[in-house]
Amino acid sequence: GEDVEQSLFLSVREGDSSVINCTYTDSSSTYLYWYKQEPGAGLQLLTYIFSNMDMKQDQRLTVLLNKKDKHLSLRIADTQTGDSAIYFCAETPLGGYNKLIFGAGTRLAVHP
Amino acid sequence: GAVVSQHPSRVICKSGTSVKIECRSLDFQATTMFWYRQFPKQSLMLMATSNEGSKATYEQGVEKDKFLINHASLTLSTLTVTSAHPEDSSFYICSAPGRGRNTEAFFGQGTRLTVV
Repeated sequence: GEDVEQSLFLSVREGDSSVINCTYTDSSSTYLYWYKQEPGAGLQLLTYIFSNMDMKQDQRLTVLLNKKDKHLSLRIADTQTGDSAIYFCAETPLGGYNKLIFGAGTRLAVHP
Repeated sequence: GAVVSQHPSRVICKSGTSVKIECRSLDFQATTMFWYRQFPKQSLMLMATSNEGSKATYEQGVEKDKFLINHASLTLSTLTVTSAHPEDSSFYICSAPGRGRNTEAFFGQGTRLTVV
């Protein structure tokens, strides 16, 4: 079946880089996503990557995809206190048409 | 960009009553919408797929008689939690697909339901 796993917590110092990791099981996944959720709020799409790509960079965000190992990571450069949130990795199963399978979320805490 | 509006953002209701949550696509049409449920400190779990003009498709383990979904128009889907119980207290969030397959899904702001 489909499963997405993430580490639950990450603490970093302001200005450092954060790396949030995710593994998934569905090899037919076509798109993989990173969403950000601030307390009590909905989800904000940060970035997504198509499964035939290895890397995607968007300003401070870098997504790396290792399709062989089914491993996805999100790197946030120069992490700021405003980056403190929960980050969800998600995949779209083949034919899922935006039906998303989410990981449990990684809570990122940024401290001075 | 596309906007999905969800209402209400918070609701408190008594046990045994029903609560309706609305999900609207504001500037685009959505023949399909998705309803998720998020327990505290847990991930979002897909509850059902709402289909305009036809019955919703429920995920395994979700009671369709308890969580009534109506997708009456191309811009509105509603989720009604019937005969609510405290264990139904959760964060409910809807989403609508973007244009084309497998691109961005737009999420509503979510509804925090508390059943007392």
